[in-house]
Amino acid sequence: EVQLVETGGGLVQPGRSLKLSCVASGFTFNNYWMSWTRQAPGKGLEWVASITNSGGSTYYPDSVKGRFTISRDNAQNTLYLQMNSLRSEDTATYYCTREGFAYWGQGTLVTVSS
Amino acid sequence: DVVMTQTPPSLSVAIGQSVSISCKSSQSLVYSDGKTYLHWLLQSSGRSPKRLIYQVSNLDSGVPDRFSGTGSQKDFTLKISRVEAKDLGVYYCAQTTHFPLTFGSGTKLEIK
Repeated sequence: EVQLVETGGGLVQPGRSLKLSCVASGFTFNNYWMSWTRQAPGKGLEWVASITNSGGSTYYPDSVKGRFTISRDNAQNTLYLQMNSLRSEDTATYYCTREGFAYWGQGTLVTVSS
Repeated sequence: DVVMTQTPPSLSVAIGQSVSISCKSSQSLVYSDGKTYLHWLLQSSGRSPKRLIYQVSNLDSGVPDRFSGTGSQKDFTLKISRVEAKDLGVYYCAQTTHFPLTFGSGTKLEIK
């Protein structure tokens, strides 16, 4: 059974940093691209970052480019999202997703507020 | 960026009826490999999204065949036949052909 378990969310002040983790199980992690997708409270879905299966290439929308960094540790079956210079508009539930949005974790809530 | 226009924003349907949701993209979603990376997701209340259909018309494992997807290029449709109470929630289309990856704004399905 595929499982994606996110951790690391919480309350953080504007301008500060936070790092999310996602531990994957039930599939061969290093065979798949992985992504982070977020959902602001009461809003729709927004893609945040993707990484190739090897970790050699990464992709971001303009809204987070230069502030967020996606990475992975294939030996530990773990995906990361380093979020710097956080803004109030980054407040959302962050989901770890497998290639093609095939599987989603339970999400971790990030709240950016003073 | 590829804009995904999803309609209607909401639907109210009686159990047993059929419904269709439209998703139109601002660019063709055909990738260089010839495949079309248009997917349909369902987010039930308080839950994480779940993919139902991938690459336009392929049902994910465990998804009942009451769900079907059709379309090509820039025009796609999700049809739900014989709606059941457990089908309620918000349906999203999503494209993974072009970066940035984008989603439709969602269609909320309510049961009459």
